[in-house]
Amino acid sequence: AQSVSQHNHHVILSEAASLELGCNYSYGGTVNLFWYVQYPGQHLQLLLKYFSGDPLVKGIKGFEAEFIKSKFSFNLRKPSVQWSDTAEYFCAVNEAGTYKYIFGTGTRLKVLA
Amino acid sequence: EAQVTQNPRYLITVTGKKLTVTCSQNMNHEYMSWYRQDPGLGLRQIYYSMNVEVTDKGDVPEGYKVSRKEKRNFPLILESPSPNQTSLYFCASSLKGAPLPEQYFGPGTRLTVT
Repeated sequence: AQSVSQHNHHVILSEAASLELGCNYSYGGTVNLFWYVQYPGQHLQLLLKYFSGDPLVKGIKGFEAEFIKSKFSFNLRKPSVQWSDTAEYFCAVNEAGTYKYIFGTGTRLKVLA
Repeated sequence: EAQVTQNPRYLITVTGKKLTVTCSQNMNHEYMSWYRQDPGLGLRQIYYSMNVEVTDKGDVPEGYKVSRKEKRNFPLILESPSPNQTSLYFCASSLKGAPLPEQYFGPGTRLTVT
């Protein structure tokens, strides 16, 4: 069965530190990839998505992610985090041609001011 | 304002007492979906619907029912809730593109079954 792994469950960083959150998936076919964020007390919202083309995608609030097909990975990065980036981050995979989504277990990021 | 609404937001109930969590969207989206979020397990898809009268199982459909009689509404039904269904539930909707575009999520319903 398809699965999505987020190995970092809790991450604590100081402001201005660089961030990289890992996401690996198990499906070998064509996939659509997403990162969602859940700020405290708010709805989940889309950070960025990859469907095809340039494997480096940019999203909102300075986030970016790189799709590496050979590694089945879609890691999220931000060069310099802010206190307001404190949130839970979810990687999600949709198998192309289907309507099913598989989410990772999430990574809780805490940024210290 | 474009949004997905869920009701109730919080619910405490007892084992076996049938309940319905409503979900409504005002964006004319074809696709709607239900998820449950549990600590350490992330979001898991329960059911989804591609359009009116078209639904299919996600990864954890056991113990749940859904219906899609109108485009805007997608209620989640627990006919005989059990304590292992205590969870945070999210409804989401999106356009039915290929590939599927981003989903818009509701605020969540926290359900406790005692």
